[in-house]
Formats: sequence, C-alpha cells, structure tokens
Amino acid sequence: GENVEQHPSTLSVQEGDSAVIKCTYSDSASNYFPWYKQELGKGPQLIIDIRSNVGEKKDQRIAVTLNKTAKHFSLHITETQPEDSAVYFCAAIPTDSWGKLQFGAGTQVVVTP
Amino acid sequence: DAGVIQSPRHEVTEMGQEVTLRCKPISGHDYLFWYRQTMMRGLELLIYFNNNVPIDDSGMPEDRFSAKMPNASFSTLKIQPSEPRDSAVYFCASRSGGINTEAFFGQGTRLTVV
Repeated sequence: GENVEQHPSTLSVQEGDSAVIKCTYSDSASNYFPWYKQELGKGPQLIIDIRSNVGEKKDQRIAVTLNKTAKHFSLHITETQPEDSAVYFCAAIPTDSWGKLQFGAGTQVVVTP
Repeated sequence: DAGVIQSPRHEVTEMGQEVTLRCKPISGHDYLFWYRQTMMRGLELLIYFNNNVPIDDSGMPEDRFSAKMPNASFSTLKIQPSEPRDSAVYFCASRSGGINTEAFFGQGTRLTVV
C-alpha cells in the first residue's frame, strides 16, 4: 500500500514569510495528491490538489509542486497570514486503491504576527 | 446540502460501555470514510465503504471496533467495550464516485472514555 511521509511536523513562520511543507510517497502508481487544511475544532478541508499529469498548480497564495520521478510533492504558502495557522495534511492516492484516502502525519503551521 | 453530519458531537462514557458514533454522508456520495485522530497517531483511516460495502477495514484497531453502513445515507462506528485509550476525535468523510474527487469531512465526534 501507499506510504506517505510528511515534513516538518511543526513549522513556525513570521507573518508575510513563505511556508513549505514536503511529502514523499512510495507507490509509483499514485496519481492524485490532495492537500487538506484542518483548523482547530473542525474537520479537514481540501485546499488544493494536483494530478500526476501536472507538475505545478497555483491558487492565489497557495501552490503545489509534484516531482513524480523523485516521488515527492510540496505545498507552498506565500505571504502567510495568521489565518493560515492550522494543521496541513497531504495524501497520495494510487489509481488501483479504490480511492483510499490515507493522510500523512500532518504539519502544524503557526504564523506569528 | 448540510454537509456530512456526525452525532453526537461529544460523548463521555465509562470504560466497558458500548459507544455508537453516527454519520450521515452527503447525498449522492459513493464513498464513506471513518477516521480517528489523536495527538500521538495523527489522522488514522479506520475503514471505508464504497456503495455501502466495506472495502478496507485494515485500520480498525481491534475486534472491539465495528462499522456498518446499512444504506447510502447512514453509517455507524461502534466500540464495544470501550477503553480509555479509545479516547479521540472520530471523523466521518464522504465523497463522490470519481477517485480524484474532494472528500468532505464532518465536524467530528470527540469521545472521552473514563
């Protein structure tokens, strides 16, 4: 099965700076890579995703890059704001897994004013 | 749609008691997932269903845990008997049939076993 590793476990950034979270995966058949954000007291929510036929995707201050050769993908948040403080989870889903959604360990991001 | 609805939001029970957590997925979604979240173990996938059929229950920790989906609009996660180490937040999520589609999470049930 797929094994996703996520780093770092915690990330503290100054407001306005950039934050980068990295994930590696093991199954070369994985072709869908979503990122979820979990705010305190709430369930995770999808913020961006990328498919294996694309190397990079951007949505305002959030971008995700994918390197299929190296089997890693990253989340980039630019111009961080206090509301970006949350736990972020990555996932990698193989085509033959029935869409099994299994997350990395998560990254606690703290944006300090 | 009101989203994924879980009940109760909070549950406090004594060790040895049976606990039943409930989930109503978004109408029309084919997949339903149950997760457990703790500080130590993060967000663990316990079991998931496709069209009401359990596909993978390898994440269910012990035989004390069981899950059912009698119809497309309802699922339960049962713990019998409960133990203090079962204390966690349990999330239910659902999504539509395409593999690369967004999963929507409920607000979770915070379970405390004393």
